[in-house]
Amino acid sequence: DAGVIQSPRHEVTEMGQEVTLRCKPISGHNSLFWYRQTMMRGLELLIYFNNNVPIDDSGMPEDRFSAKMPNASFSTLKIQPSEPRDSAVYFCASSPRLAGGDTQYFGPGTRLTVL
Amino acid sequence: RKEVEQDPGPFNVPEGATVAFNCTYSNSASQSFFWYRQDCRKEPKLLMSVYSSGNEDGRFTAQLNRASQYISLLISDSKDSDSATYLCVVHTGGFKTIFGAGTRLFVKA
Repeated sequence: DAGVIQSPRHEVTEMGQEVTLRCKPISGHNSLFWYRQTMMRGLELLIYFNNNVPIDDSGMPEDRFSAKMPNASFSTLKIQPSEPRDSAVYFCASSPRLAGGDTQYFGPGTRLTVL
Repeated sequence: RKEVEQDPGPFNVPEGATVAFNCTYSNSASQSFFWYRQDCRKEPKLLMSVYSSGNEDGRFTAQLNRASQYISLLISDSKDSDSATYLCVVHTGGFKTIFGAGTRLFVKA
């Protein structure tokens, strides 16, 4: 079975540009998570969805960040405008159940560099 | 105080050594506990869940101490392939799952 799919794998952009990261969760999984990982701050949860509905976006750092999940097989994380401090690895993860505490399956991540 | 704290390491050990990592959590109502492994420039992957009575998976042993609010991971007969970052993960209820910053392990062949 295919795991979580993320695209692009690498993104280099200039400050001020819009960046869109994409995620396809594992088929049949009900929960989807977006994380950001940096050396300084480790793995931070940005937002999670349950049955395509955003449950908690308190981890989204600023209004420049937005996330959508229009259907069960697709989610996007958008940064507009991007800034150099947004440079990080962004992971998407999905888990099978509606309840929390379940195993999370991570995608390979998108390595974002904002110049 | 962070909700989940780990010693960042790095731990440098020779092959065959036994190494133990501890992780403390602040929320006494935490419900589920896990160890994830993350290789360099890769995504985190579940290593094992941690059960109240303790559990083993081959060379890996996990324990939970609810009274002192910590979990541990013991790796016996360590191998070069065990070199990675080990993330302590705590589920505090609802959908809130918190990852520790990770402990780096280097096993020297």
